[in-house]
Amino acid sequence: GQQLNQSPQSMFIQEGEDVSMNCTSSSIFNTWLWYKQDPGEGPVLLIALYKAGELTSNGRLTAQFGITRKDSFLNISASIPSDVGIYFCAGPLRTGNQFYFGTGTSLTVIP
Amino acid sequence: EAEVAQSPRYKITEKSQAVAFWCDPISGHATLYWYRQILGQGPELLVQFQDESVVDDSQLPKDRFSAERLKGVDSTLKIQPAELGDSAMYLCASSLGGWSEQYFGPGTRLTVT
Repeated sequence: GQQLNQSPQSMFIQEGEDVSMNCTSSSIFNTWLWYKQDPGEGPVLLIALYKAGELTSNGRLTAQFGITRKDSFLNISASIPSDVGIYFCAGPLRTGNQFYFGTGTSLTVIP
Repeated sequence: EAEVAQSPRYKITEKSQAVAFWCDPISGHATLYWYRQILGQGPELLVQFQDESVVDDSQLPKDRFSAERLKGVDSTLKIQPAELGDSAMYLCASSLGGWSEQYFGPGTRLTVT
């Protein structure tokens, strides 16, 4: 079953606003990956995080690996219409060969 | 830019028929993954290959699903017989190794009627 819970489940924001979403688990993860998926397409990797406390940016996107290794957040600054899509966190459990995707956050940007 | 290739992009089949999907990973990527994604959910890992060997297939319904990567490059996922509940997007991904950054193909949308 799902090990990663994402919130919020969906967001409707105005163009230009900042966005924040997070991903939490009851288990410890070794790596956090953030993906964006457009309808009918495969997920596209946005950011990869490998160390607890790590803060990484990719353009207008910033993500952090939580200190407890059980959570991560993704921020998008100054949203634009092409940010629309579903954002997934993903990663391998520290304990073994299990890799999970989160439940997803659907983002709608209103022009 | 190197990409993961998948075919077909769309497949409609009747239940009880056999269906197969093909994936060609990014050149040099030793690890290949097959995922199933049901509409509205995140992808679920079905099988992971390291070169030609299966690393993890614990979530693969082995009574009807099979996967192979004979030469450690491209891979085929087969369903026989297909059931209505198999309707989903089937995604292939590859990475350099282990659980490193995975790159996804465009997926195959399967509809079983």
